[in-house]
Amino acid sequence: AQSVSQHNHHVILSEAASLELGCNYSYGGTVNLFWYVQYPGQHLQLLLKYFSGDPLVKGIKGFEAEFIKSKFSFNLRKPSVQWSDTAEYFCAVTLDTGGFKTIFGAGTRLFVKA
Amino acid sequence: DAEITQSPRHKITETGRQVTLACHQTWNHNNMFWYRQDLGHGLRLIHYSYGVQDTNKGEVSDGYSVSRSNTEDLPLTLESAASSQTSVYFCASRLGTASTDTQYFGPGTRLTVL
Repeated sequence: AQSVSQHNHHVILSEAASLELGCNYSYGGTVNLFWYVQYPGQHLQLLLKYFSGDPLVKGIKGFEAEFIKSKFSFNLRKPSVQWSDTAEYFCAVTLDTGGFKTIFGAGTRLFVKA
Repeated sequence: DAEITQSPRHKITETGRQVTLACHQTWNHNNMFWYRQDLGHGLRLIHYSYGVQDTNKGEVSDGYSVSRSNTEDLPLTLESAASSQTSVYFCASRLGTASTDTQYFGPGTRLTVL
């Protein structure tokens, strides 16, 4: 069955540290990849997405992600985190099989110490 | 601005009671979704709808039902609440069925079944 794995459930970093959150999916066909973020008390919102073209995707607030097809991975990165990046991050995959099915990872809770 | 609202934001109920969670979107999106979020599981799809009078079962639909009488609303009903349905529920909408389309999420409803 298709699945999305996020390697870390909890991450604690100090401000200015670099961030990389892992995401791997299991599906052999064409996929579209998303990272969503949920700040405390707020809605889930789109951080960035990839569906074709340059595998290095830039999103809002200085985040980027790289799609590596051979590794079935879509890791999220940020060179220097801020306290305001404290949030829960969800990787999601939508299968290109006629439309709707989106599979979410379990989420990673990031806490950034000021 | 267009948005998705959910009500109530918090609900405590007893086992066996019927509960309805409301979801209202002003994006004029055809597609609406209900997810539940549980620790270690990410978001799992409960039900979804492609338009008025259309409803479909998702991955974890047992014990839940939805109805779609207009474009804006997709209420989720728990016919007889069980403790296993204690969770955070998110409603989402999407304009089309293309796998590249972004989903927009509501703020969530935290449901506790005692």
